[in-house]
Amino acid sequence: NAGVTQTPKFQVLKTGQSMTLQCAQDMNHEYMSWYRQDPGMGLRLIHYSVGAGITDQGEVPNGYNVSRSTTEDFPLRLLSAAPSQTSVYFCASSEGAQRNSPLHFGNGTRLTVT
Amino acid sequence: SQQGEEDPQALSIQEGENATMNCSYKTSINNLQWYRQNSGRGLVHLILIRSNEREKHSGRLRVTLDTSKKSSSLLITASRAADTASYFCATGLIQGAQKLVFGQGTRLTINP
Repeated sequence: NAGVTQTPKFQVLKTGQSMTLQCAQDMNHEYMSWYRQDPGMGLRLIHYSVGAGITDQGEVPNGYNVSRSTTEDFPLRLLSAAPSQTSVYFCASSEGAQRNSPLHFGNGTRLTVT
Repeated sequence: SQQGEEDPQALSIQEGENATMNCSYKTSINNLQWYRQNSGRGLVHLILIRSNEREKHSGRLRVTLDTSKKSSSLLITASRAADTASYFCATGLIQGAQKLVFGQGTRLTINP
């Protein structure tokens, strides 16, 4: 099993550009989520999904959109990139939406917005 | 706002020594989890302790939870160079679906 796969690994955008960060998992996990990691801030939840067709906002959702058309995929869209969105983005999944399921993380996408 | 706060922010010890990291949180939780992050990689789950548990072991790891003090500690015994990483606590809140809230992490360096 590949686990959680994120693409691309690195991306540089200009302010105002849009892009989609891809996330796919092959573990048939119900729950998927996106976090951003900034120095001194830990990880902050952007959006999450408890199953196909269901998404909800996390702590810092502004400027990002998500959709969950299949169990496997959970792309994160940046509508109009801003320098404040420079960060490392992690996708994570877990077996169920239950509160006691450990998260499985991808290796991240490092995004720079100039 | 951060739910979990790790202490210390950085810790440097000699190989073979024990490492202790602490996590404090603010609101009631369903469970608390510890994760490790090697440089440039994603987080890896280490151990989960439920709110009705006080202590849990996994290999060289020992986690304690004190819900009255809203705190947890992670002890790594007989540290190895490969334990060098950042360690994060994450709290699972009682309300709502699984939304783990992470602390800022402790950077652990094991010196050979």
